[in-house]
Amino acid sequence: SQQGEEDPQALSIQEGENATMNCSYKTSINNLQWYRQNSGRGLVHLILIRSNEREKHSGRLRVTLDTSKKSSSLLITASRAADTASYFCATGKAAGNKLTFGGGTRVLVKP
Amino acid sequence: SAVISQKPSRDICQRGTSLTIQCQVDSQVTMMFWYRQQPGQSLTLIATANQGSEATYESGFVIDKFPISRPNLTFSTLTVSNMSPEDSSIYLCSVDYPQSTDTQYFGPGTRLTVL
Repeated sequence: SQQGEEDPQALSIQEGENATMNCSYKTSINNLQWYRQNSGRGLVHLILIRSNEREKHSGRLRVTLDTSKKSSSLLITASRAADTASYFCATGKAAGNKLTFGGGTRVLVKP
Repeated sequence: SAVISQKPSRDICQRGTSLTIQCQVDSQVTMMFWYRQQPGQSLTLIATANQGSEATYESGFVIDKFPISRPNLTFSTLTVSNMSPEDSSIYLCSVDYPQSTDTQYFGPGTRLTVL
């Protein structure tokens, strides 16, 4: 069964707007990773945040982690049509780091 | 990041047959993972493959259906046996690289359609 849930399941925005998606999980984690998937292809690693971190930035991406609420958010600022994809969060535990994925958010950025 | 390749990239197979998917990494890694993504769904871990030991399977997946080989530190195969249309999915391998950093990279996936 999946560790986490993501919301919204789908998001449609205009180019230039910000996109925010949330991920909740159920058990304690070592790290949380965000991925992008275009049209059923392979996953592109976006960012990893560890359980002792609260916020990380990478280019137009901002990730937060609240371990007390067991939740994370991914913010994409100034979105572009090329950001159209499915975004997945995945949690890793300390042992072996096998990942458990959330259900994903489908993002459509309209030009 | 590690460069991961998978073969084949896609295949269409008849029910009852088997398909072996290859995963090649350009660096030596201890652990490799195999995931399944059913149509319109998220990813589910099938098994963890360590070099030199038997693969560890997740609940709901068994070795007879998904035998895995891990002959060295850069290569692994996943076989989907006695296929049925329900096996139609994208199969992805992944690795932790660099080791002990927890960052996990994925291959491009193998899109399997079973008729």
